[in-house]
Order: sequence, then C-alpha cells, then structure tokens
Amino acid sequence: NAGVTQTPKFQVLKTGQSMTLQCAQDMNHNSMYWYRQDPGMGLRLIYYSASEGTTDKGEVPNGYNVSRLNKREFSLRLESAAPSQTSVYFCASRPRSTGLEAQHFGDGTRLSIL
Amino acid sequence: GENVEQHPSTLSVQEGDSAVIKCTYSDSASNYFPWYKQELGKGPQLIIDIRSNVGEKKDQRIAVTLNKTAKHFSLHITETQPEDSAVYFCAASKGGGSYIPTFGRGTSLIVHP
Repeated sequence: NAGVTQTPKFQVLKTGQSMTLQCAQDMNHNSMYWYRQDPGMGLRLIYYSASEGTTDKGEVPNGYNVSRLNKREFSLRLESAAPSQTSVYFCASRPRSTGLEAQHFGDGTRLSIL
Repeated sequence: GENVEQHPSTLSVQEGDSAVIKCTYSDSASNYFPWYKQELGKGPQLIIDIRSNVGEKKDQRIAVTLNKTAKHFSLHITETQPEDSAVYFCAASKGGGSYIPTFGRGTSLIVHP
C-alpha cells in the first residue's frame, strides 16, 4: 500500500511563480487535509476537505487554494508564491470526517521560494 | 478554540533511559489524543492514541496516560533506543463534526548510544 503520496518531494520557486502540490491517497478515505510545518511551529492547517465535493479553510489559508479533484486526490495551489510560503507541506487523510481516528500523513513536499 | 502546549521542546537521554513528553490541552470537550513520531525527512506517523474514557494505554515500550481532570496527557518511552530519536507530536481533538485536531509544537528526542 502506498498510503498518501505527495508530489513533488522538493521544489524551488521564484517569488511570483505559481505551483500546484499534488496529493493522492489509496485508502478510500473520505477526509483530506493540507498542513504546513515550520520550525518550532508544529503543524498548521491550511485547508481541509471533510468529504468529496467540500473544502474549508483552516488556520492559515491566505495565499493558497485547494481542489478536491475526486475522492483520491486533493491538490494545493500557490497562485503567486511569496518567500513566507517557504515551508514543508504535508497532506493527510482520514477514513471519515467524524469519529475518533488518527490521520495518515504523506512524506511532504519541501518548498523554497526565492 | 483548543490550545495544546507540549513540553519539553528538546529532550536528550542516554540509551536505555526512559523519556517522558507532556502535553496540556484547554478544551474539556476534547476526547481523542493521538501521538505521532516524525523521523527526519518523513511525515508524522501515528504511534499510539488514547480516548477520554481510558486513563492509560500501553504498546510494548510506549505508553500514554491521560488525566482528564487536569487536562494533560503524557507519552512515556521506556528502554529508549537510538532509533527512537525523532520529533514527537501530541494532538487533541473532539469527535463529532469535522475532525480538526490541534497539534503541539513538537519535542525533539535525542537518544545517545
């Protein structure tokens, strides 16, 4: 089982460029999430999708957009990248939107904005 | 909203010693508390979790305890090994509605051989 797959693993962008981070899960999970991880800040939620067809803002949504393409895929788009968006981005999934179950994380995309 | 504080931020132990990481939470309605281990260059992986109707849970060398009255929970690792070196995150969440956990800021555990 691949679990949660994120592409690309690394990316360097120039300020103002756009980019889409891809995430796919093969566990038939309903809920998917995008986080960013910065040193000493833990995991901060950007956007989430409780189920196919729905998306909601998290704690730090500014500068990002998301698309729940289908049940398997949830993408994160930076329309005009800024140096403050340099971070490690993690995608996660979960069987259901409710209930007491943990999230499954991918291995991250390391993004640098110059 | 929920606030989770995690201590210490860094923990250095000798191989074979025990390690304890503590988290406190603010929302008394939180009822699910997972712990994640994040190795270098990888995503967080669930290592153990506990629900509010349980006071303690063990899985081999790791255990988690929960004190609902004091609103704190702890991760205990016994007989630490170098491969336990990683960053550990606690989280707190509520069942019902959309699942949005609040994470602690992480503890970097270093186990010296």
